[in-house]
Amino acid sequence: DGGITQSPKYLFRKEGQNVTLSCEQNLNHDAMYWYRQDPGQGLRLIYYSQIVNDFQKGDIAEGYSVSREKKESFPLTVTSAQKNPTAFYLCASSINRAHSGELFFGEGSRLTVL
Amino acid sequence: GQQVMQIPQYQHVQEGEDFTTYCNSSTTLSNIQWYKQRPGGHPVFLIQLVKSGEVKKQKRLTFQFGEAKKNSSLHITATQTTDVGTYFCAGVAGTASKLTFGTGTRLQVTL
Repeated sequence: DGGITQSPKYLFRKEGQNVTLSCEQNLNHDAMYWYRQDPGQGLRLIYYSQIVNDFQKGDIAEGYSVSREKKESFPLTVTSAQKNPTAFYLCASSINRAHSGELFFGEGSRLTVL
Repeated sequence: GQQVMQIPQYQHVQEGEDFTTYCNSSTTLSNIQWYKQRPGGHPVFLIQLVKSGEVKKQKRLTFQFGEAKKNSSLHITATQTTDVGTYFCAGVAGTASKLTFGTGTRLQVTL
């Protein structure tokens, strides 16, 4: 089945540790995104990528980093510089140009920093 | 920057009652999308509206895009418990703009 796979689903980390969240898609989509969702709030864009080896900052990129070495993969690293990292992280993809069509979401990764 | 607000934040209805959520943008939108997120789940795309004044229906769901392309609504007729979740609108202000999500409306349906 085609889709987006995020791992891990749940992650606990101590303050000061970097964490990398995995996102893999087999939909052959060009654009990929990372969103952050806090309880009772909407989705906020962290980073997005329209093509391999290129990515752009979203609205809340500080304290995060990404890479896009392969079309299928768009991992997100939550660094120790992110002041409030506990949140639900959603990876998404879309067929064509970024922000132009339907987003397909993964099931999310819930990060808790102790 | 672009802001997209939704009202109400939360609504609790009895099964069979109607429900409407409203989405308002601070800027004119080139298109608007709607998503549904079940509790504990991920957002799932429902529909995209592009034209001024556009109305689209999906069974009991009716989506409207305002004439000025700055607002949109989602109306559910005769809600069912399967409608429970949070409904998000998301809009793009122009070709160079990013998709901005609204704050969401959480719908609770009880028997």
